[in-house]
Amino acid sequence: EDQVTQSPEALRLQEGESSSLNCSYTVSGLRGLFWYRQDPGKGPEFLFTLYSAGEEKEKERLKATLTKKESFLHITAPKPEDSATYLCAVYNQGGKLIFGQGTELSVKP
Amino acid sequence: GAGVSQSPSNKVTEKGKDVELRCDPISGHTALYWYRQSLGQGLEFLIYFQGNSAPDKSGLPSDRFSAERTGGSVSTLTIQRTQQEDSAVYLCASSLATGLHSGNTIYFGEGSWLTVV
Repeated sequence: EDQVTQSPEALRLQEGESSSLNCSYTVSGLRGLFWYRQDPGKGPEFLFTLYSAGEEKEKERLKATLTKKESFLHITAPKPEDSATYLCAVYNQGGKLIFGQGTELSVKP
Repeated sequence: GAGVSQSPSNKVTEKGKDVELRCDPISGHTALYWYRQSLGQGLEFLIYFQGNSAPDKSGLPSDRFSAERTGGSVSTLTIQRTQQEDSAVYLCASSLATGLHSGNTIYFGEGSWLTVV
């Protein structure tokens, strides 16, 4: 069964304290891995799509990487406005986007 | 439109009533998805459409749930005889197609918040 597991469930950082979020997956034929950001009361906001192992993408303080079994979202020198829930999802051969439970990130000034 | 539009944004209904939730995808997007997100939970896949057809309905929780899409655009998710456990945010998303290739991003709406009392 296709599955996505994110860790940690919650992460508290001080402003400027870099860290990483993990997304482990098992999927029958990975057709892409997505990262989204979700603020309270809002829909998920697209961040990145990764298609193959070794691929990396960056956006401001965020960098996403992909291996055959997991993806990392690295946050460099985070700011309070980076506080949100970060969702990872895999796209399988059946055309279904399967989400993990998310990591709730809190960045304190 | 500029983004995925969902209505109503909030709905409070009595147990046993039927509700309809509407999704208007981004113009030109042929693929449309419905997800459910309960309080503090991840996104649960319900159904997706490629054009007007739904290849995968396996995520619909029960036969009280149905969805349709007409004209390859607007979709309606209908919940009959609502129960309290149906309370959740119902999220709609769209993409150019279901075949994944570079640039085929899936965009979400802001959701319809359903409360069954």
